[in-house]
Amino acid sequence: GAVVSQHPSWVICKSGTSVKIECRSLDFQATTMFWYRQFPKQSLMLMATSNEGSKATYEQGVEKDKFLINHASLTLSTLTVTSAHPEDSSFYICSASLDSTDTQYFGPGTRLTVL
Amino acid sequence: GQQLNQSPQSMFIQEGEDVSMNCTSSSIFNTWLWYKQDPGEGPVLLIALYKAGELTSNGRLTAQFGITRKDSFLNISASIPSDVGIYFCAGPRGTNFGNEKLTFGTGTRLTIIP
Repeated sequence: GAVVSQHPSWVICKSGTSVKIECRSLDFQATTMFWYRQFPKQSLMLMATSNEGSKATYEQGVEKDKFLINHASLTLSTLTVTSAHPEDSSFYICSASLDSTDTQYFGPGTRLTVL
Repeated sequence: GQQLNQSPQSMFIQEGEDVSMNCTSSSIFNTWLWYKQDPGEGPVLLIALYKAGELTSNGRLTAQFGITRKDSFLNISASIPSDVGIYFCAGPRGTNFGNEKLTFGTGTRLTIIP
């Protein structure tokens, strides 16, 4: 149980285009989902916290207008990288938790390459 | 902000050797988590620690929650090839760790030399 999936697993896009990444909790309902970014050989850095039915909260330095997050249901959160640039190329990982007493379960990640 | 520094940054060992790594913080954590990340994958939780001084095992892995609450240790005994990967410590910023934001450590990359 507690499986989190991401789609796509990798994506290549042209500079200036937008890319949408999906995060799904497959066998549980997630009240909260988190989005992380990981650059090569670096640690995971939290970008934003996504709560179902409300606006996401962003970490300091993360542009909310560039990284649009929608948590429309208890099993789906999406991250849209708008007007992507090469410096946005990274590994994007989501996590989801059942409730306030449970651990976070991580998705397999999405590798974004912006040309 | 909170920072988690892991040591060593990387390790090169032979199969069968024991491994020790640690994680230190500039501030107190109420929960310590240890994750393993394989290349191109998301992190997987290995061990969770909830009390200062707690020692918890998961197979060949043993982790300890430091008494000061500012550090934690992870040991792997009799390493095998599938232990290769990056090990991260992490801690929630608050006390409600299920829905709390996590701070991740800098990571320890484990490589097994044939």
